[in-house]
This record gives sequence, structure tokens and C-alpha cells, in this order.
Amino acid sequence: EVQLVQSGAEVKKPGESLKISCKGSGYSFTSYWIAWVRQMPGKGLEWMGIIYPSDSDTRYSPSFQGQVTISVDKSISTAYLQWSSLKASDTAMYYCARHASSGYYFYWGQGTLVTVSS
Amino acid sequence: EIVLTQSPGTLSMSPGERATLSCRASQSVSNSYLAWYQQKPGQAPRLLIYGASSRATGIPDRFGGSGSGTDFTLTISRLEPEDFAVYYCQQYGSSPRTFGQGTKVEIK
Repeated sequence: EVQLVQSGAEVKKPGESLKISCKGSGYSFTSYWIAWVRQMPGKGLEWMGIIYPSDSDTRYSPSFQGQVTISVDKSISTAYLQWSSLKASDTAMYYCARHASSGYYFYWGQGTLVTVSS
Repeated sequence: EIVLTQSPGTLSMSPGERATLSCRASQSVSNSYLAWYQQKPGQAPRLLIYGASSRATGIPDRFGGSGSGTDFTLTISRLEPEDFAVYYCQQYGSSPRTFGQGTKVEIK
């Protein structure tokens, strides 16, 4: 069974750093792109970027380029999303999702809620 | 970047009715690489349709997708109580992938 299990909710202060994770299991982790999707409170889905675990090839949406870093540790089948300096506007639910062959998403993580507040 | 515009923003329907949701792209979506997702409160999105018209595994046949180029439609033939949710379209024909802003289907 394919599963994407994300790390737990985080409460941080502005200016702090953060790295959240997404662990894949039940499939060949290095064979499928992993995407990160943001959902701000009460808002829609925003595609942030993707990473190919086999070679760490990474693509970002222009809206998120330079704002976050997507990385992977294929030895433990885990993808990451990190911030070096959080802002209140980073408060959102963050989902990871596994690409199908073409780029739609059948498998999703359960989401990680990030709250940034002073 | 392809901008997807969904309409209407909210659809007020009764169970048993037919719902028609629209997704219009700012430029042609190559290969009809257009997907539809359903999201309920507190849940991750669920894939309904990919390739504009192919139902994902486990999706009831009351959900149907159509369209090509810049105009796509999700149709729910007879609304069941569990279908009241928010629906998003997503294009994956070009990078960056983008989502529409969503259509909420609410109980009238």
C-alpha cells in the first residue's frame, strides 16, 4: 500500500527556521516525483514545487522560488520542505503528493499544519 | 504560467440534481493534462479525474470530465450527500503546475 506520512503540526515564531517531512512507503521512492502543495487557511491549493528523489532534480513555482527549499534523503525515503526564516504569512497546511506518470496526484500525505505567530 | 479560472465560485444544489463545474485555462493545456480533485473539510484532496476525462480508481461513474484546449468541465450527474465539497482543477501539461481557485458545491 502506497503511503505518504507527513511530520506533525508545528508552531513557530517569525524568523525561526523549520523543516517538515514526508516519508514515502509501499513503492519505489526514487521512481516518482514528489510535490509540495500549500493551502492557506480557508483558501485554495497552490503548487509549490517538485523533486525527483533519484537525482534530487528540483523545480519550483516562481511564486515560491527563493522562499522555500525542497530536498530529499532517498536513503530514508523522505522528502523535505524547509524555511530559513518563517513569516506569519507562511501559516498554512502543507501537503506532499506523489506524481503519477504524467503529473497528477493520486497519493497525498495527510498534511502538516504550520502556524507562525509571535 | 497557465492560470485556471473556475466557475462558479459556489454552486448551491439539492441532492439528486446535476452539477456542472467549469475550468477555463488562460492558454491551451497540452495533451488535455487536466485533473479534478475533491476536497472535504479537514481532508487532503482526492483525485477524481485525470487526462480531462479518465476517472481515477474507485471514483463512482456519476463523476464525469470533458473538454480540451482551454475549456474543461466536471459533471456530477446526480449529487449524493457525500458530494458536497470543494472541487479543484489542476493542469499538469506545463510547468509550473497550477490549480484553479476552487468551486464549492453546497447544499441548497
